[in-house]
Amino acid sequence: DAGVTQSPTHLIKTRGQHVTLRCSPISGHKSVSWYQQVLGQGPQFIFQYYEKEERGRGNFPDRFSARQFPNYSSELNVNALLLGDSALYLCASSPGPMDRAPYNEQFFGPGTRLTVL
Amino acid sequence: AQSVTQLGSHVSVSEGALVLLRCNYSSSVPPYLFWYVQYPNQGLQLLLKYTTGATLVKGINGFEAEFKKSETSFHLTKPSAHMSDAAEYFCAVMNTGNQFYFGTGTSLTVIP
Repeated sequence: DAGVTQSPTHLIKTRGQHVTLRCSPISGHKSVSWYQQVLGQGPQFIFQYYEKEERGRGNFPDRFSARQFPNYSSELNVNALLLGDSALYLCASSPGPMDRAPYNEQFFGPGTRLTVL
Repeated sequence: AQSVTQLGSHVSVSEGALVLLRCNYSSSVPPYLFWYVQYPNQGLQLLLKYTTGATLVKGINGFEAEFKKSETSFHLTKPSAHMSDAAEYFCAVMNTGNQFYFGTGTSLTVIP
């Protein structure tokens, strides 16, 4: 069975540009969450989507946005890129929403490494 | 605000020795608690989780953790370290606001 997949694997952008990262959840999972992991730090929660609705949001600026499609895949968009946006962006899927144990176990993808020059 | 504190950014143990990785959380309400492991250039893998019920939680690869409400702790242990346990370990908390918080991580080195 395929796990969580993310594309692209690596990405290089320049300041001010826009980027779109993609995530496909495990088949049957309806929830997708996004995290930013800066080198040497723990992942920081950005968004959670469940059944195409935003269910949770971390402390990130409005430059960060996301959406979930009818097939439960998701996109993370970041506008006006800054050098500080360079990080590993992780996507995680779960069968249900975060607050509904035991369906909230998250399975992580390998991440997209974004470098902003 | 919710926070997770992992004491010790680097821990070294000898192969076969006890592994103890510390995690404390701040919350007025017992949250959901998790431990994840991250191997180099890989995503995060769930080791174990506490939601409700028994406070001693057993996970994969011989790891276990005990939820202690009075100490607001959720320390991770393994009786005997193996070389393959060398990795980065993250404690995480989910609060009632559907937000997920990770600690800063503890890098475990296993010395042969």
